[in-house]
Amino acid sequence: RKEVEQDPGPFNVPEGATVAFNCTYSNSASQSFFWYRQDCRKEPKLLMSVYSSGNEDGRFTAQLNRASQYISLLIRDSKLSDSATYLCVVIGTASKLTFGTGTRLQVTL
Amino acid sequence: GAVVSQHPSRVICKSGTSVKIECRSLDFQATTMFWYRQFPKQSLMLMATSNEGSKATYEQGVEKDKFLINHASLTLSTLTVTSAHPEDSSFYICSAAPINTGTGQPQHFGDGTRLSIL
Repeated sequence: RKEVEQDPGPFNVPEGATVAFNCTYSNSASQSFFWYRQDCRKEPKLLMSVYSSGNEDGRFTAQLNRASQYISLLIRDSKLSDSATYLCVVIGTASKLTFGTGTRLQVTL
Repeated sequence: GAVVSQHPSRVICKSGTSVKIECRSLDFQATTMFWYRQFPKQSLMLMATSNEGSKATYEQGVEKDKFLINHASLTLSTLTVTSAHPEDSSFYICSAAPINTGTGQPQHFGDGTRLSIL
């Protein structure tokens, strides 16, 4: 089983739609969780941190479920500019990051 | 905010050439930097952890003699791909976090280096 698993997609949604991604992780001792966004052929950029209490930033909401070992990202009112690959990132010991394969989102007119 | 500079951004060279990639933290110090590789349509994979003043820690399956890492100062780590071959063509990215941040904090990424070996 992979340490971090994501549905690779692609998710094709119309502008204005709400879309949700899930990510599961296998190491129950994982410390921190993040969503990164990666545009084609570019470096990953931090989108938001993920907490058990939930974290909302504008149209984006992230949630952590430690009991079930998954994190989620919800995007409301999708924009064309949201089209990208969304990477689930889990930090274990020694600040080591483990990336999911990424979920590709394509927002269309 | 914290900035990580990676150079060069693009390299095209012949098979057998050795290529050095630099990763610099511009406004913070980092005792640890990380090197990743990303093949097309795949996720980033951690190659090695670069430790200032000591040997790098390599992930399973990554040849340490092939990918030489030097972390001589608190602001610079270098990755040298020795005798590169076409299968080494990939997107290489480094990341770092300031010394005074706790464990479990997000990393700051360089812009990445796209390496193409002909």
